[in-house]
Amino acid sequence: SQTIHQWPATLVQPVGSPLSLECTVEGTSNPNLYWYRQAAGRGLQLLFYSVGIGQISSEVPQNLSASRPQDRQFILSSKKLLLSDSGFYLCAWRAGTGGGYEQYFGPGTRLTVT
Amino acid sequence: TQLLEQSPQFLSIQEGENLTVYCNSSSVFSSLQWYRQEPGEGPVLLVTVVTGGEVKKLKRLTFQFGDARKDSSLHITAAQPGDTGLYLCAPNTGFQKLVFGTGTRLLVSP
Repeated sequence: SQTIHQWPATLVQPVGSPLSLECTVEGTSNPNLYWYRQAAGRGLQLLFYSVGIGQISSEVPQNLSASRPQDRQFILSSKKLLLSDSGFYLCAWRAGTGGGYEQYFGPGTRLTVT
Repeated sequence: TQLLEQSPQFLSIQEGENLTVYCNSSSVFSSLQWYRQEPGEGPVLLVTVVTGGEVKKLKRLTFQFGDARKDSSLHITAAQPGDTGLYLCAPNTGFQKLVFGTGTRLLVSP
């Protein structure tokens, strides 16, 4: 069966510090991968998605970036965090070409920028 | 950009009551997913509806996809405290990604 991991679970970082969040998927190959951000009490905002290694599509201009160095690894980064980067970050995967459209989410990372 | 609305935004009911939440759009979708998210966790897929007019049941939850595939509803019978959470609809845009609604936050009190 497929599983998706995210770490860390929680993170408190000062403004201006760098960020690296990691997401890994097990039990599937060539998945589509997604990064979302969720503000308190709000819906999900798609930040980035990837259909393959090294292929990143950005949905919202911001000071965040994403990378996919391996098939089942997706990383969200920032060089300098802003207060507005606080939120709940979710990684998700779905089956690649020929698969269904359902997405499956990781447990999330709660980021607080102080 | 599709306009996707979920209503109500917030619903607080007593255990045993019935409720319906709605997901509406001006666009036609090939399929639509419903998710439930509990506080501090990632959303969990509940169901996918594909065919216009389709009705799917998951225990006390009944999902319906509108005939024109522009809207969907979720009906919960005899709600329980365990149903508490954020209910999100997510139509398939056909471009490798889903569009998520802002959700309906449900609180079921014992």
